[in-house]
Parts: sequence; structure tokens; C-alpha cells
Amino acid sequence: QVQLVQSGAEVKKPGASVKVSCRASGYMFKNYGVTWVRQAPGQGLEWMGWISAHNGYTDYAQKVQGRVTMTTDTSTTTAFMELRSLRPDDTAVYFCARYRVSRSGSTSFDYWGQGTRVTVSS
Amino acid sequence: IQMTQSPSSLSASVGDRVTITCQASEDISNFLNWYQQKPGKAPKLLIHDASNLETGVPSRFSGGGSGTDFTFTISSLQPEDLATYYCQQYGNFPGGFTFGPGTKVDI
Repeated sequence: QVQLVQSGAEVKKPGASVKVSCRASGYMFKNYGVTWVRQAPGQGLEWMGWISAHNGYTDYAQKVQGRVTMTTDTSTTTAFMELRSLRPDDTAVYFCARYRVSRSGSTSFDYWGQGTRVTVSS
Repeated sequence: IQMTQSPSSLSASVGDRVTITCQASEDISNFLNWYQQKPGKAPKLLIHDASNLETGVPSRFSGGGSGTDFTFTISSLQPEDLATYYCQQYGNFPGGFTFGPGTKVDI
């Protein structure tokens, strides 16, 4: 069965960087992308970007562009999201999800990781 | 593209019909998905392309609409449907998969 397993919780100081991993299993990794979505405490969902596991194409949300880098390691079927210059308002649960695109162009996030809590505090 | 949802929260009884609306700031055709997020859990995809039920999702969930106005309906509310429901558009690729603010459903 499809599974996405994320790395554990992180506590960082403002200005630092965090790198969250998302290990995928149960499907052909290179046939899909991986997207990242975060959720601040008590808030809604915010899309951060996605990466194609096929060719490494990335597309980032404007809000985090310049501070975020998404990568994949196809040998370990793992995706990574690095966020730099952390601020207190980056405190959130970060989710990875499988990015599915059908032949018709239909796009959705169909399987999700369990989430990684990142706390930014001095 | 901005997304709005209404209501922001609702309380209903088991067996009730519940409808949530989602509006896009511009025409997104049917490029709209619905997700369910239970407390402390990851979101779950329920409906893609406005009206297509994801495999394994109970048939009491349905979606409709196109252009700028969309609806999500639970035909007979069940206790396990306690959750927040989010619409999400993908009409302005690349660069945008905006989520709506969510609708919290209490039983």
C-alpha cells in the first residue's frame, strides 16, 4: 500500500534551516511528484510547492520562494524539503503528499504523510 | 486565485444533509478538489475535479459546480464525519494550489 513516512519533530532557532524528509513506498516513485503543505497552529492549509520525482522540476509558492528547496533521492524514494532563514511564523506542521496528475491533467494530492512539527523559537 | 468557503463552521445532527459552498475569485473550470481533515490527522482527498469521488470514499459525499461556484454535500451526516473540510483549486498552474479557509463540521 502507498505510504509516506516523514521525519520527526524539529525545534529550531530563528535564522536557522530545517530539512524534512518524506520516504515513499508502495508505488512507482518516479511516476509521481511530491508536494509539501504546511499548517500553522489552529490555522488552515498552505501549499508550499511540489517537485517532480521524474525530472526534478519544481514549482514553489511565492510566499516561500527563495527560502525553500525541494529535492528527491530516487535511489531511496525519499523527498526532502529544506526551509531556510526560519522565522517564528514558520512554526507549523509540515505535510508531504503524493502529487498525482492524470492523463486528462487532473491534479490532486492523494496520499499524505503523517506530518512533521517544526517549531521556530528563540 | 482566492478561495472562500461558507460557512466557516456548522453544527448538525447525525442523519442531516450538510452542504458547504466554495467560491473562486475567477473561473477555474472544474479544477477543484475537496479534502477532509480530522483532528490531529493529515488531510484526506475525498473528491477531485469538482465531482469525482475518490476510490473508497463513501457515496454520502458528493461535489458539484464549475467555474467559480462549487458545493460539497454530505447526504446523511455520520459521527465519523466530524472534521474540517477544505476546497482546493489548481486552476492557475504553475504556482497555485490555493486552499479555501476550511469549514469545521461538528456533530
